[in-house]
Amino acid sequence: TQLLEQSPQFLSIQEGENLTVYCNSSSVFSSLQWYRQEPGEGPVLLVTVVTGGEVKKLKRLTFQFGDARKDSSLHITAAQPGDTGLYLCAGISYNTDKLIFGTGTRLQVFP
Amino acid sequence: GAVVSQHPSRVICKSGTSVKIECRSLDFQATTMFWYRQFPKQSLMLMATSNEGSKATYEQGVEKDKFLINHASLTLSTLTVTSAHPEDSSFYICSARDRDRGIYGYTFGSGTRLTVV
Repeated sequence: TQLLEQSPQFLSIQEGENLTVYCNSSSVFSSLQWYRQEPGEGPVLLVTVVTGGEVKKLKRLTFQFGDARKDSSLHITAAQPGDTGLYLCAGISYNTDKLIFGTGTRLQVFP
Repeated sequence: GAVVSQHPSRVICKSGTSVKIECRSLDFQATTMFWYRQFPKQSLMLMATSNEGSKATYEQGVEKDKFLINHASLTLSTLTVTSAHPEDSSFYICSARDRDRGIYGYTFGSGTRLTVV
């Protein structure tokens, strides 16, 4: 079973602070995605990273895929209350095309 | 963009009854659909993978006789929770894959909140 561990599990910060969420696995993935989920809704795709070492930026969010394609990070600069939500990494398996989700990081940003 | 419709969004049923959840790809053909379950304050756990016209593949620990999956067409997959019990109460989410879009082809439904009383 491929496991994707995220850390931290919970994060509560003030508006304007920076934060980093980590996603680690012992398995290699063909690509990795990051999602954000609001309560009672399906996850919404933020980014897909494909190449080892790749860095992608989406406004205040910076995503990095590890060189070995086993880990990834999400960095948010100057967090805002609107960033509050559950952040999920998800790896796509080489063999089965299954999308396996990480354990999740619940972020709360206070004004 | 790709749209996946999941119905119902909420359902309450009595213990012992069965509930069917539908997942439809509205503007693309989905040869593969995935079903996930999410308990409160937890991540999404993959339950099964369904391929059009063939039997679903279940993840370890998921009872195939309890969670019946049918993927009879390229745009519709259904999950039936049979003889539901309170411990089956959860948030169920489907994902449909458009193979033509490769790794960018995964689209999620909005989920179904199942409460068994």
